[in-house]
Amino acid sequence: QKEVEQNSGPLSVPEGAIASLNCTYSDRGSQSFFWYRQYSGKSPELIMSIYSNGDKEDGRFTAQLNKASQYVSLLIRDSQPSDSATYLCAVIAGAQKLVFGQGTRLTINP
Amino acid sequence: DAMVIQNPRYQVTQFGKPVTLSCSQTLNHNVMYWYQQKSSQAPKLLFHYYDKDFNNEADTPDNFQSRRPNTSFCFLDIRSPGLGDAAMYLCATSRRDPYEQYFGPGTRLTVT
Repeated sequence: QKEVEQNSGPLSVPEGAIASLNCTYSDRGSQSFFWYRQYSGKSPELIMSIYSNGDKEDGRFTAQLNKASQYVSLLIRDSQPSDSATYLCAVIAGAQKLVFGQGTRLTINP
Repeated sequence: DAMVIQNPRYQVTQFGKPVTLSCSQTLNHNVMYWYQQKSSQAPKLLFHYYDKDFNNEADTPDNFQSRRPNTSFCFLDIRSPGLGDAAMYLCATSRRDPYEQYFGPGTRLTVT
């Protein structure tokens, strides 16, 4: 089992709709969770971090964490074409290293 | 603006010709990381430094070396690049806690 799993997509969402990205992780002791956005040919950009169960909102982005289910998600409201990118879920595992999922490619259709 | 800077942004080298990539940061973060990312893959951690303490990933090839002469700078040396080393090389920094990592723009390495 991979440490961090994401559906690779592609996920296609119409403009203005809610995009929902999901991630599961295997290390039950993980405490820190991150979402990165990566445009093609560019470096990852940190867009959300979440450390405790529940929801965390920042503008159009909401991160959700459920440690009991070992599940973290990212919701993007009012999706825009500029949100089209690969979204990487990342988890701090043992030895304080960041473990990335394979990423979900998101396409927002105008 | 505080940031992570990588130079050069694009590097072309010949098979077997040593190359050095550089990273600098103005965030005053303790921890610096080097990642390799190939197309459609997640970033793969090569090394990281907690301050001056060097940590090498078990599967990082011996061909890759790193130096951190001071808090602000870190270098990645590839002693004898092979075709399989063509990739994006990403530098990232973080504090010790929380470990939010901030990436530089990357260096795209081409090996001919």
